[in-house]
Amino acid sequence: RKEVEQDPGPFNVPEGATVAFNCTYSNSASQSFFWYRQDCRKEPKLLMSVYSSGNEDGRFTAQLNRASQYISLLIRDSKLSDSATYLCVVNGYNQGGKLIFGQGTELSVKP
Amino acid sequence: DTAVSQTPKYLVTQMGNDKSIKCEQNLGHDTMYWYKQDSKKFLKIMFSYNNKELIINETVPNRFSPKSPDKAHLNLHINSLELGDSAVYFCASSQEAGTRRYNEQFFGPGTRLTVL
Repeated sequence: RKEVEQDPGPFNVPEGATVAFNCTYSNSASQSFFWYRQDCRKEPKLLMSVYSSGNEDGRFTAQLNRASQYISLLIRDSKLSDSATYLCVVNGYNQGGKLIFGQGTELSVKP
Repeated sequence: DTAVSQTPKYLVTQMGNDKSIKCEQNLGHDTMYWYKQDSKKFLKIMFSYNNKELIINETVPNRFSPKSPDKAHLNLHINSLELGDSAVYFCASSQEAGTRRYNEQFFGPGTRLTVL
């Protein structure tokens, strides 16, 4: 079983749509959780951290369910510029900054 | 004013050759990483250095040897290149890894290695 699993997609949605990505992780000792964004042929960049209470940043909402070892990302009012691959990322406590990446979910927002 | 830079951006070489990729960060971070992203887009950590000391060494062939001359640089040398080494290699840096819960990692633009 992969340490971090995501639906690879692609998700093809029209502009203005709401889209949700899900992710599960296998290590219950994982402490920190993030969503990174990777544009085609570019480096990954941090989109947002994910906190236990859930958190929102503009059109983006992240949720964490530790009991189910499940992370989600909701994007509202999708823009063309949201087209990218979204990477679910997990970091274990005291692992020297080691990040475990999911394989990413590809999003394509169409006009 | 690039934060994390890598050279070269593209590297095409023959099987059996030895090559190096260089990475530099000007963010003042004390931890640097090498990641490999394969054709299936999985991004996997290879090595991590904190203040020039190796702290993460994943199961990577001995042909791969990282070198950190100072905390702003982390180079990757690859001996006897194989076809399976073809991938995109990303360097990253962060501040104060270790027992800290989290610090954002900043990635370089990647080096696309093709072994023929």
